[in-house]
Amino acid sequence: DQQVKQNSPSLSVQEGRISILNCDYTNSMFDYFLWYKKYPAEGPTFLISISSIKDKNEDGRFTVFLNKSAKHLSLHIVPSQPGDSAVYFCAASALDYGQNFVFGPGTRLSVLP
Amino acid sequence: DADVTQTPRNRITKTGKRIMLECSQTKGHDRMYWYRQDPGLGLRLIYYSFDVKDINKGEISDGYSVSRQAQAKFSLSLESAIPNQTALYFCATSDPTSGRYAGELFFGEGSRLTVL
Repeated sequence: DQQVKQNSPSLSVQEGRISILNCDYTNSMFDYFLWYKKYPAEGPTFLISISSIKDKNEDGRFTVFLNKSAKHLSLHIVPSQPGDSAVYFCAASALDYGQNFVFGPGTRLSVLP
Repeated sequence: DADVTQTPRNRITKTGKRIMLECSQTKGHDRMYWYRQDPGLGLRLIYYSFDVKDINKGEISDGYSVSRQAQAKFSLSLESAIPNQTALYFCATSDPTSGRYAGELFFGEGSRLTVL
């Protein structure tokens, strides 16, 4: 049973609009959450993180929101650009995993010009 | 040059063959990892090593073994490859004292393995 879920395998958004990628988790012990971005033929690269003591973290066009009671986080990209087209992975960690990360299955974002 | 280098990038082999995927890094990180990516399943941890003398099993270690030859080198072996080990394999490193986020993973470009 997956502990980190990304229920939308794919998402298409028009350039300039907002992209919202969602992630749900089941383990209440997770205390750090990261988003990774992956282009074809490349390894994933770190995008943004959030600690469980916060409910929002912002970095330029990217904002991550955390709702601990719902065990839900979301990544907002505003405005979306064609270069944002990639697969986005949500990842979570907890002390009882030795601070190793559990990854979701990913969401493929396509930003249409 | 990439900080985390994986070889080979692509490999096709037959069932029962022994395969080694190699990873080397120039980041000076103590922690190294091997992940496997399958469609719909994301990245799953196979093995990880926090230093040269430390090897730990991850979520899906069965059928795999690893060797940490030096701080900079971490190899993944499939002793007798089977078709359901067909996947994209990623090596990663981390250093809890550096990066934009402590514990951030730095990935190689991946090794695509096909077992016929």
